[in-house]
Amino acid sequence: DGGITQSPKYLFRKEGQNVTLSCEQNLNHDAMYWYRQDPGQGLRLIYYSQIVNDFQKGDIAEGYSVSREKKESFPLTVTSAQKNPTAFYLCASTPLTRPVDYGHTFGSGTRLTVV
Amino acid sequence: AQSVAQPEDQVNVAEGNPLTVKCTYSVSGNPYLFWYVQYPNRGLQFLLKYITGDNLVKGSYGFEAEFNKSQTSFHLKKPSALVSDSALYFCAVRALNSGNTPLVFGKGTRLSVIA
Repeated sequence: DGGITQSPKYLFRKEGQNVTLSCEQNLNHDAMYWYRQDPGQGLRLIYYSQIVNDFQKGDIAEGYSVSREKKESFPLTVTSAQKNPTAFYLCASTPLTRPVDYGHTFGSGTRLTVV
Repeated sequence: AQSVAQPEDQVNVAEGNPLTVKCTYSVSGNPYLFWYVQYPNRGLQFLLKYITGDNLVKGSYGFEAEFNKSQTSFHLKKPSALVSDSALYFCAVRALNSGNTPLVFGKGTRLSVIA
């Protein structure tokens, strides 16, 4: 079955470390997105990419970085500059051919905790 | 700028009673509207969408939503709630002709159905 795979499901980071969250999709979707979810704050956009080798900052991009070298993959790196990274991270995708009426398909998320 | 408001953080309803989860939106031009559901430590699952046409939209698991352009609302409804409906519900919007830009989400409403 096609879908979005996020790994790992749980991730622990020490202070000052960079960590990378994986997001892979086999839906042949063109656009991919990263959202951060905190209790009571809904989903906030970190970065998104509409085509390979191109991406745009979202509302809370500071302390994060991304790459889009392949259509299927959109990894997110949480850098040491992100002062409060403990959150639930969600990856999503959308096809280019029917973007406006399709919405997003979501992965199962990665819960990141700073220890 | 687009925005979504979900005025209730929590909705409690008895099993078998009708439920309503409220959503209002702000967007330039015509909106595309979506409802998603999230179970603990999971990604968001698509419930239903309004693109055009009939103002009453039917979706998964017996849910429906009514689009009201004059009130800029898209409330989620179900005639008879189940305990298994207990989850976090998100409303989202995208403007017409905005391509595959990210959806804008509300902060979510936690639905609790009591047996």
